[in-house]
Amino acid sequence: GENVEQHPSTLSVQEGDSAVIKCTYSDSASNYFPWYKQELGKRPQLIIDIRSNVGEKKDQRIAVTLNKTAKHFSLHITETQPEDSAVYFCAASEEYGNKLVFGAGTILRVKS
Amino acid sequence: EPEVTQTPSHQVTQMGQEVILRCVPISNHLYFYWYRQILGQKVEFLVSFYNNEISEKSEIFDDQFSVERPDGSNFTLKIRSTKLEDSAMYFCASSEGGGRTEAFFGQGTRLTVV
Repeated sequence: GENVEQHPSTLSVQEGDSAVIKCTYSDSASNYFPWYKQELGKRPQLIIDIRSNVGEKKDQRIAVTLNKTAKHFSLHITETQPEDSAVYFCAASEEYGNKLVFGAGTILRVKS
Repeated sequence: EPEVTQTPSHQVTQMGQEVILRCVPISNHLYFYWYRQILGQKVEFLVSFYNNEISEKSEIFDDQFSVERPDGSNFTLKIRSTKLEDSAMYFCASSEGGGRTEAFFGQGTRLTVV
């Protein structure tokens, strides 16, 4: 089955700097890659997703890149703000499957 | 904005007791899921449900677990005889069209087995 690895497990950045979180997946059949932000005690919330037919997607300060050949995808947050502090999870899903396999999460701390 | 809602928000139960966690998915969604998150760990898939039957389940989802859609709006997870290691946050999620569309998560039920 699918296995998703996520790095780093914790990331501290200064406010205004960029943050990059990386994930790799094992199943070449996976075709959908969402990123979720989870604040303490709250539900995971989708912040951006990418499908296998594109290599990059951007939404304001957040971007995701996908390299299907290497089976990895990354989340990029620019101009980080204190409210970006949270746990970020990547996930992967098969094209015709219907479950998300999550990475272990990255605790992002933005220091002001 | 439509939301997935879960009740209760927190449930404390004695080991060996049965619990039922309830979810109301978004009304036009067809796929329903249960995930769990042990404190400080990643979100883990338990089961997916489509067209009134289980479409996939993980190895965590053993005979102690069952799901049901008793009516047109509710989706429940039952744990027959709870164990200490069942203590976790349980998230319900729903999506319109399977694994390639956004899954919306409920706010979770924190289950504590004592």
